[in-house]
Amino acid sequence: KQEVTQIPAALSVPEGENLVLNCSFTDSAIYNLQWFRQDPGKGLTSLLLIQSSQREQTSGRLNASLDKSSGRSTLYIAASQPGDSATYLCAVGGAQKLVFGQGTRLTINP
Amino acid sequence: ETGVTQTPRHLVMGMTNKKSLKCEQHLGHNAMYWYKQSAKKPLELMFVYNFKEQTENNSVPSRFSPECPNSSHLFLHLHTLQPEDSALYLCASSPAGALDNSPLHFGNGTRLTVT
Repeated sequence: KQEVTQIPAALSVPEGENLVLNCSFTDSAIYNLQWFRQDPGKGLTSLLLIQSSQREQTSGRLNASLDKSSGRSTLYIAASQPGDSATYLCAVGGAQKLVFGQGTRLTINP
Repeated sequence: ETGVTQTPRHLVMGMTNKKSLKCEQHLGHNAMYWYKQSAKKPLELMFVYNFKEQTENNSVPSRFSPECPNSSHLFLHLHTLQPEDSALYLCASSPAGALDNSPLHFGNGTRLTVT
């Protein structure tokens, strides 16, 4: 059974810093890995999707990497801004459909 | 505008009530999903519909009954719920099934409180 873990559960950093969020999964037989953002009281917004054959994806200040063999993905956020404050979730796509981690609650302090 | 609209945004119901959650997507997608998000737990997949056919029921209790009359609409009928069913219920869609390598599009959810 696929299990997805995100560490840390919460992170608070000053504005302007570069930061890395971590996601690990137990079963490397995946189809893709997705990163989502969730604002309080809202649904999830897809940020990046990495297919199993890819190593990374980039969108603006965001870069996500995937290492299937080690069961890890990272989301790198450059030059963080207060508007980046949200909960970030990773989800692994496989035979069991999408399995989500519990998320990292990120706070960017002005 | 997310392209996936859920109503109502908030719902309070007693354990003996019957209510329905509605989801509508304007993206032309053919797969729709119900997820449950409880406090301090990961999102849990409940149901998947591909081209109006249910393809996944993740061991959900029968007090939750999904309905997908067409590819654009998805309902979740609720009856005799328990307080532990209080959660945020999220609807999502994708072009064609969970393995089509396309990102899911989520609605803003219905916050359900069972009293």
